[in-house]
Amino acid sequence: EIVMTQSPATLSVSPGERATLSCRASQSVSINLAWYQHRPGQAPRLVMYDASTRATAIPDRFSGSGSGTEFTLTISSLQSEDLAVYYCQQYDSWPPGTFGQGTKVEIK
Amino acid sequence: QVQLQESGPGPVKPSETLSVTCTVSGGSVSSGGYYWTWFRQPAGKGLEWIGYIYDNVRSNYNPSLRSRVSISLDTSNNHFSLTLRSVTAADTAVYYCARVTSGSHGMPSGISDYWGQGTLVTVSS
Repeated sequence: EIVMTQSPATLSVSPGERATLSCRASQSVSINLAWYQHRPGQAPRLVMYDASTRATAIPDRFSGSGSGTEFTLTISSLQSEDLAVYYCQQYDSWPPGTFGQGTKVEIK
Repeated sequence: QVQLQESGPGPVKPSETLSVTCTVSGGSVSSGGYYWTWFRQPAGKGLEWIGYIYDNVRSNYNPSLRSRVSISLDTSNNHFSLTLRSVTAADTAVYYCARVTSGSHGMPSGISDYWGQGTLVTVSS
């Protein structure tokens, strides 16, 4: 099973500042990597797929990069509505695919 | 706008059967090209894929649950359902439904483009 490791577990960022989230795969997943945003009390939302393609209606302050085993989700200018837990998921081997444990983004 | 909403039993007793339904609005479970999927997340743990159904014919389940799980599609009511038999405390989790898109050659891409909010199912006597 491919293990996905996210860091940091919690990220505190001031409004308007940049947030950088990392995700590492235990073996190469090519670009078969998605990011999901899970706001409190809401349904998870697809943010990014194929490592760097924004999903429908995702603002352009979100960007993704990486391939192989190292991936990054960047929020260029953090807004209050970006408060959430962000999960990475590999789908190079799906099913089952595997998720990271999540990074909680807090507003400082 | 596609929306998914789970409805679950709340508490379930050990050894009984857990059933959760996912109602789809803004789209049809009959439309081709989507894999109607269940995940779960125990408290403090990661998300786990349970299984999917496609076209009311093809299904696939997590090997660790295969002997106890089934997923069905109800096109007349536009929902799909999860049934998990002989539950134990280890099955206590938030259960999520999701829509997985098709990728190349009609196989599942693994990308979940819509999710439900999740429903907590607690297994306890």
